[in-house]
Amino acid sequence: KAGVTQTPRYLIKTRGQQVTLSCSPISGHRSVSWYQQTPGQGLQFLFEYFSETQRNKGNFPGRFSGRQFSNSRSEMNVSTLELGDSALYLCASSLWWDQPQHFGDGTRLSIL
Amino acid sequence: KQEVTQIPAALSVPEGENLVLNCSFTDSAIYNLQWFRQDPGKGLTSLLLIQSSQREQTSGRLNASLDKSSGRSTLYIAASQPGDSATYLCAPLIQGAQKLVFGQGTRLTINP
Repeated sequence: KAGVTQTPRYLIKTRGQQVTLSCSPISGHRSVSWYQQTPGQGLQFLFEYFSETQRNKGNFPGRFSGRQFSNSRSEMNVSTLELGDSALYLCASSLWWDQPQHFGDGTRLSIL
Repeated sequence: KQEVTQIPAALSVPEGENLVLNCSFTDSAIYNLQWFRQDPGKGLTSLLLIQSSQREQTSGRLNASLDKSSGRSTLYIAASQPGDSATYLCAPLIQGAQKLVFGQGTRLTINP
């Protein structure tokens, strides 16, 4: 069974640009969550989607947005990139809300 | 606000030793708690999940315990091997929020 797939693996952008990251969950998983990992703040929750509905959002500015499609694939978008957005962005999927969350290898975003 | 603390922050031991990693959390309103490992440059690998109604969960050489009322979980690794070297993270799943809250992790090094 294929794991969680995130694309692209690496991205380099400049300040002010926008970026879209993609996540394909494990087949059959309907919950998809996004996390940001930085050396200073560690892992922080961005948002969670279930059946195309955002159920929860973390404490991030409105520049961070996401969506989930009918096949459970998810995308997150960051607009007007800032240097502080440089991080590893991780996507996780689970079968149901109280089941184990399985993570992808992440997208490493670098802002120049 | 849920806060998660992991002690120690780093641990270096010779191969073959049994060891214990500690995790404490401030809010007992959790659905479950998950332990992960993270290798450098990679995503998170799920090790064990303990439901809030459980006290222990075992997988191979790993055993995790949970005392929800006191806000503590431990991960016991038996007969450690160099391949166990990684950062270990604990994360309770918060009730009503469908999100994991992570500690800063314990960086484990097993010396051959």
